[in-house]
Amino acid sequence: GENVEQHPSTLSVQEGDSAVIKCTYSDSASNYFPWYKQELGKRPQLIIDIRSNVGEKKDQRIAVTLNKTAKHFSLHITETQPEDSAVYFCAASRTSGSARQLTFGSGTQLTVLP
Amino acid sequence: DGGITQSPKYLFRKEGQNVTLSCEQNLNHDAMYWYRQDPGQGLRLIYYSQIVNDFQKGDIAEGYSVSREKKESFPLTVTSAQKNPTAFYLCASNNRASTDTQYFGPGTRLTVL
Repeated sequence: GENVEQHPSTLSVQEGDSAVIKCTYSDSASNYFPWYKQELGKRPQLIIDIRSNVGEKKDQRIAVTLNKTAKHFSLHITETQPEDSAVYFCAASRTSGSARQLTFGSGTQLTVLP
Repeated sequence: DGGITQSPKYLFRKEGQNVTLSCEQNLNHDAMYWYRQDPGQGLRLIYYSQIVNDFQKGDIAEGYSVSREKKESFPLTVTSAQKNPTAFYLCASNNRASTDTQYFGPGTRLTVL
């Protein structure tokens, strides 16, 4: 089955700096890669996703890049703000009928220092 | 994601007891999922269902059971066979015909005493 590794497990940055979180996956059939943000005790919320036919996607301060050959994808957050502090999870999946089996990374605790 | 509800928010269970966690959605989504989250770890898939009366095992199905009698409902039973059931349980749903995004419920925190 799919295996997703995520690094680093913790990341501290100064407000205004950039943050980068990296994930690798094992299944070359995976074709969908979402990123979720989870605040303490809350539900995960999708922040951005990318499909395997695209190399990069941006949404304001957030961007995701995908390298299919190397099987890795990264989350980039620019101009970080204290409210960006949370746990971020990457995931990978391939199509399975009308459902998607997501395999998640172990998460990155991002702390933005004021 | 406000259309997915889980109850209860907190649940305490004695060892040897079965317990059922509720998940309801009013988003008209076809697919529903159950994940387990342990402290400091990612989410792991327990079961998923693509349509009514059909479901498949995920990566960690042992000790769990589900049913899908209605499109809106996907309850999860944690049985006494689950050796370490204390965790945060999250339900999710999506409709692949329109989006791959899985929307999560608020979760149930289960503690076995």
